[in-house]
Amino acid sequence: DTEVTQTPKHLVMGMTNKKSLKCEQHMGHRAMYWYKQKAKKPPELMFVYSYEKLSINESVPSRFSPECPNSSLLNLHLHALQPEDSALYLCASSQDGAGNQPQHFGDGTRLSIL
Amino acid sequence: KNQVEQSPQSLIILEGKNCTLQCNYTVSPFSNLRWYKQDTGRGPVSLTIMTFSENTKSNGRYTATLDADTKQSSLHITASQLSDSASYICVVSAIHHNNDMRFGAGTRLTVKP
Repeated sequence: DTEVTQTPKHLVMGMTNKKSLKCEQHMGHRAMYWYKQKAKKPPELMFVYSYEKLSINESVPSRFSPECPNSSLLNLHLHALQPEDSALYLCASSQDGAGNQPQHFGDGTRLSIL
Repeated sequence: KNQVEQSPQSLIILEGKNCTLQCNYTVSPFSNLRWYKQDTGRGPVSLTIMTFSENTKSNGRYTATLDADTKQSSLHITASQLSDSASYICVVSAIHHNNDMRFGAGTRLTVKP
């Protein structure tokens, strides 16, 4: 079991649906990340939260909306997604936003857009 | 061009054999280099992190080396096991861009009995 918990593990949704992905960690980490990973490709960074503030948004379309309600939780709200958004969405956390610390990844949410 | 290049793209070895994976990078100014292992359907797991001053770091049967002059790193796996079958991803970070991590495309390792 990983120390970063992501729910749901799988999600199938239509292009007009609204859904949310959730991520939780209780390691006291203050930086949390969302990545998108397509099959046989490395993860692509989407968003970074540091001390509950959005610090990086890698030009992600507005149909993806992140939210960090507190230091342990990170959500990704989805609306009007496209079929090409089907991917594995990974959440990660690190002690803080400094570069020399390992990121702890969850096992991801497998998202399929119909 | 990707700033982190990994080779080989895929590798098949027999159980018990050793292997070495390569990572070349152009990311600058260099901050640190990480190796991750990602099992199919799981999230990546950190194996090693090395900064500029570190030449080698071990984690069990995994040993990573770093040559900051030539901008090359390798991950050596000793006495491979079936459970080593996974993708191995090299990630390089730049100074002053603490969250600017560049991912390699990974090496897919298959260990056969």
